[in-house]
Amino acid sequence: SQTIHQWPATLVQPVGSPLSLECTVEGTSNPNLYWYRQAAGRGLQLLFYSVGIGQISSEVPQNLSASRPQDRQFILSSKKLLLSDSGFYLCAWHLAGINNEQFFGPGTRLTVL
Amino acid sequence: GEDVEQSLFLSVREGDSSVINCTYTDSSSTYLYWYKQEPGAGLQLLTYIFSNMDMKQDQRLTVLLNKKDKHLSLRIADTQTGDSAIYFCAETDSGGGADGLTFGKGTHLIIQP
Repeated sequence: SQTIHQWPATLVQPVGSPLSLECTVEGTSNPNLYWYRQAAGRGLQLLFYSVGIGQISSEVPQNLSASRPQDRQFILSSKKLLLSDSGFYLCAWHLAGINNEQFFGPGTRLTVL
Repeated sequence: GEDVEQSLFLSVREGDSSVINCTYTDSSSTYLYWYKQEPGAGLQLLTYIFSNMDMKQDQRLTVLLNKKDKHLSLRIADTQTGDSAIYFCAETDSGGGADGLTFGKGTHLIIQP
């Protein structure tokens, strides 16, 4: 069966520090991968999606970047965090053409102080 | 761009039915989804409906779609304390959500004893 992991579960970082959040998927090949952010009072916002290794699409301009170094690994990064980067970051995967569901990871709670 | 709107809160008594409503603006939406998020957790797909359907039932859940009015609802029969969560409406205009979903801000379902 497929599982999706996110690391770390919680993170507290000072403004201006770098960020690296990791998402890995097991039990499937060539999934579409997604990063969403859930900020207070703003619902879920799609940040990035990837249809394959090295292929990243950005939905909104921001202080963050994403990379997909391996088929089942998706990384969210920042060189310098802003206060507005605080939120709950969710990774999701979807197998194109197989079903209609996006499977979400457990999330990472990021607090920028 | 696309927009998805939901009420922020809904309070119901245990054992009653809960009806969570959602409106969307994208007339080319193909799939519409309901996700459930329990405190501190990721998102779990409850059900989805394809845009050429007007109703879908799955155990205690009933989804109604009025495509003309761009209105989606989720009815939970015999609401239990375990149903207490945030419910997100989401849509996509691509096949199976390949380029991400657009989410509403979520409805907090509060269960009164």
